[in-house]
Amino acid sequence: QKEVEQNSGPLSVPEGAIASLNCTYSDRGSQSFFWYRQYSGKSPELIMSIYSNGDKEDGRFTAQLNKASQYVSLLIRDSQPSDSATYLCAVTTAASYKLIFGSGTRLLVRP
Amino acid sequence: DVKVTQSSRYLVKRTGEKVFLECVQDMDHENMFWYRQDPGLGLRLIYFSYDVKMKEKGDIPEGYSVSREKKERFSLILESASTNQTSMYLCASSSPQGNTQYFGPGTRLTVL
Repeated sequence: QKEVEQNSGPLSVPEGAIASLNCTYSDRGSQSFFWYRQYSGKSPELIMSIYSNGDKEDGRFTAQLNKASQYVSLLIRDSQPSDSATYLCAVTTAASYKLIFGSGTRLLVRP
Repeated sequence: DVKVTQSSRYLVKRTGEKVFLECVQDMDHENMFWYRQDPGLGLRLIYFSYDVKMKEKGDIPEGYSVSREKKERFSLILESASTNQTSMYLCASSSPQGNTQYFGPGTRLTVL
């Protein structure tokens, strides 16, 4: 079992819709959770970080964390074609500097 | 804003050559990382460093070495490049407090 799992997609949504990206992790000791966006040929850029259960909103983005169920999700409201990218989920434990990355979900927003 | 720079965006080398990839960060971060990213395999950690002259192996250190002589600079060395080291190489840095990693633009290395 992979430590961080994501559906590879592609997830295709129409412009203006809500895109929902999901991630599950296996280590119950995980404490920090991150979503990165990566455009083709570019490096990952941080979108959101979340550390406690519940929702965290930043503009059109909402991260949701449920430690009991060991999943973290990213909602993108009013999706735009410019949101088309691969979204990487990453987690870390308190004992480590290392991030464990999922393999990413490719999102396509249709105009 | 955190800035992480890498010495080259694109690099083409021959099999057997010694290759140096340089990474510099300007945020006084203690932690620095080298990853490679390949289609279908995601991001894989090669080496990381949590202080000057300190280094630890990541998941795929074979064929690589690193050097950290100054806090802001972390170098990845391919002692004898091979074709299976053709990849995108990404450097990142973070502070111990937040664990948030910031990535450089990446170096796409092709070994012929």
